[in-house]
Amino acid sequence: GIQVEQSPPDLILQEGANSTLRCNFSDSVNNLQWFHQNPWGQLINLFYIPSGTKQNGRLSATTVATERYSLLYISSSQTTDSGVYFCAVLIISASKIIFGSGTRLSIRP
Amino acid sequence: DSGVTQTPKHLITATGQRVTLRCSPRSGDLSVYWYQQSLDQGLQFLIQYYNGEERAKGNILERFSAQQFPDLHSELNLSSLELGDSALYFCASSFGTENTEAFFGQGTRLTVV
Repeated sequence: GIQVEQSPPDLILQEGANSTLRCNFSDSVNNLQWFHQNPWGQLINLFYIPSGTKQNGRLSATTVATERYSLLYISSSQTTDSGVYFCAVLIISASKIIFGSGTRLSIRP
Repeated sequence: DSGVTQTPKHLITATGQRVTLRCSPRSGDLSVYWYQQSLDQGLQFLIQYYNGEERAKGNILERFSAQQFPDLHSELNLSSLELGDSALYFCASSFGTENTEAFFGQGTRLTVV
């Protein structure tokens, strides 16, 4: 089946730093989403981005579907950015959304 | 607020018992997905329904079952519970099955003691 790999698995940064999170997938996908799981466990939609680039405030994402990867950029990190970031891909033929293993981000004040 | 409602938020029960988790999708969404997230683990796909019909199964145990009702809400039934079933159970909904964004509920935290 399709593999979804995220890197790095863990990232510790000082407040104000920038970061890039990567998601690689092993086969063609129909769509891709980025989520933030906060310390209370809630999954928050960040981007729905099957291809191209989107920006929302300090966050932006780029998906290059032909090269099977997506990047999530976080600029000027804040402590509230801490948590786990997941990418998830939809495989229509399998009718399932497959999650990567996540990147755990810790922002130190 | 994602618009997906899961109840209850927390559930504590004993081994061997049976519980039902409920999910109300966003208004207009026809697809419902169920996921299990064990402690410090990723999200494991369990099952998907579209407009009342089962569309895909993942790593769902035989002790677990689910259904989607005519009003599109869904229930996940977990029986003969074991300690290892303790986890966060998420429901997600999307309008269709193709190229549509999925939104997740707040999850039900199940603790089996």
